[in-house]
Amino acid sequence: DTGVSQNPRHKITKRGQNVTFRCDPISEHNRLYWYRQTLGQGPEFLTYFQNEAQLEKSRLLSDRFSAERPKGSFSTLEIQRTEQGDSAMYLCASSLRRGGPGNTQYFGPGTRLTVL
Amino acid sequence: DQQVKQNSPSLSVQEGRISILNCDYTNSMFDYFLWYKKYPAEGPTFLISISSIKDKNEDGRFTVFLNKSAKHLSLHIVPSQPGDSAVYFCAASGTSGYALNFGKGTSLLVTP
Repeated sequence: DTGVSQNPRHKITKRGQNVTFRCDPISEHNRLYWYRQTLGQGPEFLTYFQNEAQLEKSRLLSDRFSAERPKGSFSTLEIQRTEQGDSAMYLCASSLRRGGPGNTQYFGPGTRLTVL
Repeated sequence: DQQVKQNSPSLSVQEGRISILNCDYTNSMFDYFLWYKKYPAEGPTFLISISSIKDKNEDGRFTVFLNKSAKHLSLHIVPSQPGDSAVYFCAASGTSGYALNFGKGTSLLVTP
């Protein structure tokens, strides 16, 4: 049984460059979430997919951010024209269904982004 | 606005004693609550959860208590072990969406 995986684990980029992160959820999970965590804060919700449909987006997800889950399996999060304020840990989580114990979200190890 | 609050940034407990971590929330629409444990440079690991229809849930050394009228929950770890040293996050979700709302975390240090 493999958990949620994320690649790369670390990314250093220069301001203005584009970056893309990948998340592979737990295989039978149909729900996938992206969060961002900065120092001293808890994870903050960015967006949510049910299968391939993006159903919810936070106002934190500016127009420079785009997320996809084309076949309802893995997902990508792209940040265009990165800014120093984008430096954070980007976390992916997955779950099987909402309600009761099924709403439990399982997190990957995260991708640490540093924008120079 | 912070809808989930963990007012103690840190807690230090001796090995073998009880650790009590507290969490308060403001949104009465939250109906599911979770605790996660996080080590540095890793993602949060799910520990235990509780639905709003219950007031207590136990799993081994971990017990979560929910007081809906006070909008308060707590995580009890008994007995505490040095390997429990980590940052603990309280999270909540509600009927209005699927996002988890997290507190800022409490750093627990269990000393031998």
